[in-house]
Amino acid sequence: KAGVTQTPRYLIKTRGQQVTLSCSPISGHRSVSWYQQTPGQGLQFLFEYFSETQRNKGNFPGRFSGRQFSNSRSEMNVSTLELGDSALYLCASRPAGTAGTGELFFGEGSRLTVL
Amino acid sequence: AQSVTQLGSHVSVSEGALVLLRCNYSSSVPPYLFWYVQYPNQGLQLLLKYTSAATLVKGINGFEAEFKKSETSFHLTKPSAHMSDAAEYFCAVSEPQYGNKLVFGAGTILRVKS
Repeated sequence: KAGVTQTPRYLIKTRGQQVTLSCSPISGHRSVSWYQQTPGQGLQFLFEYFSETQRNKGNFPGRFSGRQFSNSRSEMNVSTLELGDSALYLCASRPAGTAGTGELFFGEGSRLTVL
Repeated sequence: AQSVTQLGSHVSVSEGALVLLRCNYSSSVPPYLFWYVQYPNQGLQLLLKYTSAATLVKGINGFEAEFKKSETSFHLTKPSAHMSDAAEYFCAVSEPQYGNKLVFGAGTILRVKS
């Protein structure tokens, strides 16, 4: 069974640009969560989607947004990039029947560098 | 509110020695607790989880953790370290009322010396 797939793995942008990251969950998983990982702030929850609906949102500015498609694939978008947005963005999916348990399967991440 | 504290940002052990990584949590209700491992340039992999069943939880790669409610702790141990255990380890907590949101500790980098 293929794992969580994130694309692109690495990307470089400049301040003020926008970026879109993609995540394909494990087949059959309908919930997708996104996390930001930085050396200073560690791992922080961005948002969770289930059946194309945002179920939970972390404490990030409105420049960070996401969506989920009918095939459970998800994208997140960051507009007007700032230097501080440089991070590893991790996507995770969970199996059916694990609602509330927090058990997640993570992808390898998309490493964004903002210059 | 949930929070997780990992004591020691870096831990160094010799190959074959006991590994002990400390985790304390704060939660208003019995939580679910997790340990994840991250190898360089990779995502997080679940090592083990506590979901209110047995307090001693066994995970992959010989790791185990014990949930101690009185100490609000969930320390990770492995009897004998292997070079391949060198990685960063994260303790995390979730509460059902917050859905699947995980709150992570700051992480502990484990170094294994030959």
